[in-house]
Order: sequence, then C-alpha cells, then structure tokens
Amino acid sequence: RKEVEQDPGPFNVPEGATVAFNCTYSNSASQSFFWYRQDCRKEPKLLMSVYSSGNEDGRFTAQLNRASQYISLLIRDSKLSDSATYLCVVKGTQGGSYIPTFGRGTSLIVHP
Amino acid sequence: DGGITQSPKYLFRKEGQNVTLSCEQNLNHDAMYWYRQDPGQGLRLIYYSQIVNDFQKGDIAEGYSVSREKKESFPLTVTSAQKNPTAFYLCASRAGLGNLPLHFGNGTRLTVT
Repeated sequence: RKEVEQDPGPFNVPEGATVAFNCTYSNSASQSFFWYRQDCRKEPKLLMSVYSSGNEDGRFTAQLNRASQYISLLIRDSKLSDSATYLCVVKGTQGGSYIPTFGRGTSLIVHP
Repeated sequence: DGGITQSPKYLFRKEGQNVTLSCEQNLNHDAMYWYRQDPGQGLRLIYYSQIVNDFQKGDIAEGYSVSREKKESFPLTVTSAQKNPTAFYLCASRAGLGNLPLHFGNGTRLTVT
C-alpha cells in the first residue's frame, strides 16, 4: 500500500459545481497535513493546511479524519481558474526526521 | 523578497555528464529538500537536510549527491550513474521542526539525451 494515495482523476466539472477530493495515508503516526495546488509545469504552491477540527478558506474546506486516515478537500462554486492538480501532503517521521510525503495528485478540470 | 531560487530553469546535458542544479534560499530556513517529478507522477524525495553539514538520503537517492555547506544553499548533483535523469527537479525549504509547510523553488527541468 502506498503511503499517500489519491484518485488521479481527472475530475471534469462545470463552473459553479462543488467537487471533493480524498486522500488516504497509511502511517497512523502522521502529524501534519496539507493541500498543495500545482499548475502545469510549475512548482506546487501551498493551498491550505489541514487541521484536526477542519478548516475553511473561502470556497475551500479541508477535513481530517484520523480514525479512517484520510483528508479531504472540498471546493465550492468552482472557477475556471481552479483547474490544476491538487496534491495531498502528509508529514510523518523517518529515522527521527520530519519528512513530507506527497500523493500523486488529483487533476481538476473546470469547464465553462 | 524572501524566497527560493533554482537555476537554471531549463538544462540540457549529454548522457554520461554530471550536472549540478542550484538551490538557494534567503528565508533562513533550516530544512531543505530535493524532489523529482516525472510526468503524471507525484513528487519523490531524493535528499533532505535538516541542518547545515548534515543530509540524509530520501527514497530515490541513487545516482544523486548533495552538499549543505551553507544554510542558504543545497545544490544537487545528478551523476552519470543516474539511469533516468530527465525529469523536473524541485527544491523546497521549511522553517524549524514544527507543523510548517514546504516552500518550493520554481524548479529545474533537466533533459539528458
């Protein structure tokens, strides 16, 4: 089982739709969680951290379920500019060091 | 402005040549990381360094080498031993040891023919 798994998609949705992505992780000792956005041929950029109680930033909502070991990202009222790949990042420890592990990413295409 | 600078943006090399990718940060971050990304794939960790003069192998370190002589700099050498070096290379840094996110440079796209 891979450490961090995401459905690669693509998710193809119309403008204004609500779309949700999930990401599962295998290391129950993982301590911090993030969602990044990556545009084609660019570097990943932090979208939001994921907190245990869930958190919201405008149209974006992130949730963490430690019992089931997954995090989710909900995007409401999708915009054309939301089209990108969304990477889930989980930080655990490896030999005492704090290591971020990335999922393969979920591709989102928002069409008019 | 503070940030991470990777250079060059595009790099072309012949097979059998070593090549060094630059990564410099002025964020005063302690930890630095090198990732490799192949088309349609996630990021895979090559090497990381938590502190100056110390670095650790990641998941795919074979064929690569690094140094961390200064806090600001973490260059990556792709050696001729790396079997499939053509990829997008991303350098990142992070402050401290807490639950803080990575900040990325804008990447170097290496093509080896």
